[in-house]
Amino acid sequence: QSALTQPASVSGSPGQSITISCTGTSSDVGSYNLVSWYQQHPGKAPKLMIYEGSKRPSGVSNRFSGSKSGNTASLTISGLQAEDEADYYCCSYAGSSTDVVFGGGTKLTVL
Amino acid sequence: QVQLVQSGAEVKKPGASVKVSCKASGYTFTSYGISWVRQAPGQGLEWMGWISAYNGNTNYAQKLQGRVTMTTDTSTSTAYMELRSLRSDDTAVYYCARDSSGWYIPDYWGQGTLVTVSS
Repeated sequence: QSALTQPASVSGSPGQSITISCTGTSSDVGSYNLVSWYQQHPGKAPKLMIYEGSKRPSGVSNRFSGSKSGNTASLTISGLQAEDEADYYCCSYAGSSTDVVFGGGTKLTVL
Repeated sequence: QVQLVQSGAEVKKPGASVKVSCKASGYTFTSYGISWVRQAPGQGLEWMGWISAYNGNTNYAQKLQGRVTMTTDTSTSTAYMELRSLRSDDTAVYYCARDSSGWYIPDYWGQGTLVTVSS
């Protein structure tokens, strides 16, 4: 059982927007602005899409955005494209006793 | 560009040890930490621990304490992760990843190394 809770799957049609939630606790997501999001295509290494809750690394499309409210972080992908179909994982710093926790992952299907 | 290149796949018997390497290039190795993350087949990501490439300080996940050792060789910009007393549930793809946040959160990742534990 993962420390952060994500929906197992989400889907959307090309051009639509989808949001993936990541629910933690006041010990991790709620306490630190250190949530990151990763995209993973089958057989590939994860790729950083969002860091520190809402910042995009250089080269990542501005169709990807992140936010946080209380103990829940969210990743929104607008203007869905076929290439966005992948697994998405959230990650948060969780303090000195637990350090880093991941969500269980969400499979995004582009219909 | 930042690159992390890991060693090849390994097959080990239960009780054995494995050592995975991760050679970094494209940045100043000693200015960042390295996190190790593993992913069992069909499963999610699990953070294993972190090492400072600057001074060798380490921080291991509680569940792996006593079985894992992370080291670095600054002369070759290479990080290593050794896992001992292997069990079948250690079968996974092991990733090294650079930490630029200072809070163990990965940014750039290696390509992964499959470690299979089987008798």
